[in-house]
Amino acid sequence: DSGVTQTPKHLITATGQRVTLRCSPRSGDLSVYWYQQSLDQGLQFLIQYYNGEERAKGNILERFSAQQFPDLHSELNLSSLELGDSALYFCASALGSGLGTGANVLTFGAGSRLTVL
Amino acid sequence: GNSVTQMEGPVTLSEEAFLTINCTYTATGYPSLFWYVQYPGEGLQLLLKATKADDKGSNKGFEATYRKETTSFHLEKGSVQVSDSAVYFCALGEYGNKLVFGAGTILRVKS
Repeated sequence: DSGVTQTPKHLITATGQRVTLRCSPRSGDLSVYWYQQSLDQGLQFLIQYYNGEERAKGNILERFSAQQFPDLHSELNLSSLELGDSALYFCASALGSGLGTGANVLTFGAGSRLTVL
Repeated sequence: GNSVTQMEGPVTLSEEAFLTINCTYTATGYPSLFWYVQYPGEGLQLLLKATKADDKGSNKGFEATYRKETTSFHLEKGSVQVSDSAVYFCALGEYGNKLVFGAGTILRVKS
């Protein structure tokens, strides 16, 4: 157990629907990162939050949004789902914001597998 | 932008064979380099890291040396076990702890 908890583990939904993925970071970690893992794109960085504030955006679609709450858990909202959104979504956490060399280690959760039919 | 290139798999080895998985990177500056491993049905786990040139990261018999001159961070293990079967990802750390991953290399070890 990495200490990063993601729910749900599996989710099957239909095109056009909206889903919310949840992540609880490791105790003491203030940063949360979301990654998407798909067969064609590999592991892609989506977005980072640090202590409730958005810190960096990667290849995140406008249909997707996220937030980090005062208790530091984070949610990733995916709307108007398309078949191509089917993927494994990982949350990772780290102690700091990473303002520097990027040497801090990220701890990953087990992922949420989304299937859009 | 920064990028990581890994050798394509799958790599299939017999138990106790020597393992090398090649990884090269393109980056501005000198990023930290990582190897993560993903076992079936699990998330990514840090295997080892190196933060500056000539550093050697090591863990569980795996090693990788940060080579600035060849922009490489090849993963090696002297004697693999069936339990090492997994997907291995090379990654570099960008500003803000964001990781840029390679495509991953599937390793299959046969007994």
